[in-house]
Amino acid sequence: GENVEQHPSTLSVQEGDSAVIKCTYSDSASNYFPWYKQELGKRPQLIIDIRSNVGEKKDQRIAVTLNKTAKHFSLHITETQPEDSAVYFCAASIPRNTDKLIFGTGTRLQVFP
Amino acid sequence: DTEVTQTPKHLVMGMTNKKSLKCEQHMGHRAMYWYKQKAKKPPELMFVYSYEKLSINESVPSRFSPECPNSSLLNLHLHALQPEDSALYLCASSLIAGVNVGETQYFGPGTRLLVL
Repeated sequence: GENVEQHPSTLSVQEGDSAVIKCTYSDSASNYFPWYKQELGKRPQLIIDIRSNVGEKKDQRIAVTLNKTAKHFSLHITETQPEDSAVYFCAASIPRNTDKLIFGTGTRLQVFP
Repeated sequence: DTEVTQTPKHLVMGMTNKKSLKCEQHMGHRAMYWYKQKAKKPPELMFVYSYEKLSINESVPSRFSPECPNSSLLNLHLHALQPEDSALYLCASSLIAGVNVGETQYFGPGTRLLVL
């Protein structure tokens, strides 16, 4: 069935370092890939998304890359700050199904000062 | 108004109780979603409403009953829940819904439900 694998499950970095989270999706027809950040006790918040007609998208310290051939997409956070600490979820749209997203299992990012 | 709101924030109920969760958005979105999220897990889709009609039911037990009275409101009626139903219930909305449209979903803050 459709699924999204996400790695790593936990990631610890020093403030100022970069962090990379990787996801792999199964259905080559998926065309929309959002990333959500969820702080403890809070709602998931969209931080960046990418569509299949684009290979890379950047927003300040955050970037997402998409490799359609390999069915991989990655989140890159540069110059990490303690407030980046949260759980990050990737997701992929499910083709042939009304706006359904399949979420990855999440990555807990800890940024140490 | 650019947010999805949910009430109540917290709810404790017994297994024989009937309660309702409420979700509201005033962004003109025509698709609304209910998700269930257990601790340390991703959101799990329960229902999708598209243009006030139920378009997806992810084989959710009948003790959960969704309702979409109008394009801005979404309710989830709860009856005879089990302790394992304790979770964070998230509502989300998107501008439109359709096959592989890929519209951004915006989440509400959730209702933290505890079933005793």
